[in-house]
Amino acid sequence: SHEVTQPPSVSVSPGQTARITCSGDALSKQYAHWYQHKAGQAPVLVIYKDTDRPSGIPERFSGSSSGTIATLTISGVQADDEAEYYCQSVDSNGSYVIFGGGTKLTVL
Amino acid sequence: QVHLQESGPGLVKSSETLSLTCIVSGGSFSGYFWGWIRQPPGKGLEWIGYIYSHGTTNYNSSLKSRVLIAVNTSKNHFSLSLNSVTAADTATYYCARGGGSTWEFDIWGQGTLVTVSS
Repeated sequence: SHEVTQPPSVSVSPGQTARITCSGDALSKQYAHWYQHKAGQAPVLVIYKDTDRPSGIPERFSGSSSGTIATLTISGVQADDEAEYYCQSVDSNGSYVIFGGGTKLTVL
Repeated sequence: QVHLQESGPGLVKSSETLSLTCIVSGGSFSGYFWGWIRQPPGKGLEWIGYIYSHGTTNYNSSLKSRVLIAVNTSKNHFSLSLNSVTAADTATYYCARGGGSTWEFDIWGQGTLVTVSS
């Protein structure tokens, strides 16, 4: 399958925990990666290989995956976390890159 | 610190060819794959294609008939050509480095807006 699905929007208050899901058949065999994208800026990789955090990304960003669903969790959400978040994977053959439609995180 | 920078015309006429270059500086070019991703105004990210440093390519099936990605390792840059453009190709175009065998893009350029005019 060449599709992964995300909710269009998630809203949380500062200090709360935000969870953004990504679902698709490919995720049962392939890793999910997550990007934070703010308007006018380059996307930033915040989680790769389901759970790994690149150097420089705060520990409050974490990832998990089970079956066909991957989840990005942001603990202690801050105003600066407001952005669009995209999950990305590849197809089961490992050659076709897939992006989810993006989730707009709003910090109330 | 690896840095990617897109360059090319910001305005392309309908039916013509969009051509962009991504210059890679501050790190090794070999051993990675290099991708192009775009974002139409108000929409999400769309993968266009990628190329390995040794030249193997793979493209989004929806664009495959119009896309060519090439690499010049001696100059540390790779390029994107998209022919027969229409207004639907208006987007911010990003180049990015593929960080490993698990297909994540770990470093991105700032992006360049290309508008297709009639």
